[in-house]
Amino acid sequence: DAKTTQPTSMDCAEGRAANLPCNHSTISGNEYVYWYRQIHSQGPQYIIHGLKNNETNEMASLIITEDRKSSTLILPHATLRDTAVYYCIVLAGKLIFGQGTTLQVKP
Amino acid sequence: KAGVTQTPRYLIKTRGQQVTLSCSPISGHRSVSWYQQTPGQGLQFLFEYFSETQRNKGNFPGRFSGRQFSNSRSEMNVSTLELGDSALYLCASSLVEVTTNTGELFFGEGSRLTVL
Repeated sequence: DAKTTQPTSMDCAEGRAANLPCNHSTISGNEYVYWYRQIHSQGPQYIIHGLKNNETNEMASLIITEDRKSSTLILPHATLRDTAVYYCIVLAGKLIFGQGTTLQVKP
Repeated sequence: KAGVTQTPRYLIKTRGQQVTLSCSPISGHRSVSWYQQTPGQGLQFLFEYFSETQRNKGNFPGRFSGRQFSNSRSEMNVSTLELGDSALYLCASSLVEVTTNTGELFFGEGSRLTVL
């Protein structure tokens, strides 16, 4: 029952910004958007989360549209180690992971 | 500090058997949640425990159960194993309940179960 829609896969050149979109058109007013990533054979890793305002940390930036129906995760300078599956999740009492976006960073 | 520890990392069982997986959360974390990951279904939420109480549950049959101890360590049990239970079982810990919207989850490396 994922409440988010993400592209299945994306490519990005090493050193360039990776912009990963997510649609969450049915999000409720008090539901947060979380981003996690999973590198092959490892457990998912928390990246960032937000409610209304844009957020930035040492890993990434999260841009949430004013109507909150979509968001974009930005990795400012992608490296080969950023190749992973990225999950956009709306926290509705529990984390429901969708299929995620497989980001391939290429040299 | 030490991360989330899951044991065993790999195990093989046969249909009809039962299995118990263990998860030791990060020190000080009181919430433990469990997920099943398969190639076909992706990551699916099983249940969350906080202060020894189950706080939330996913859509899994009663064969899947869990518990949390007073030291926050958690176990999950799967009885009468089926071939479809073959999966990576991930445990995650958090300072607070996931439902509070103020915590991030820290995942372990997972326990890979193969049912023959």
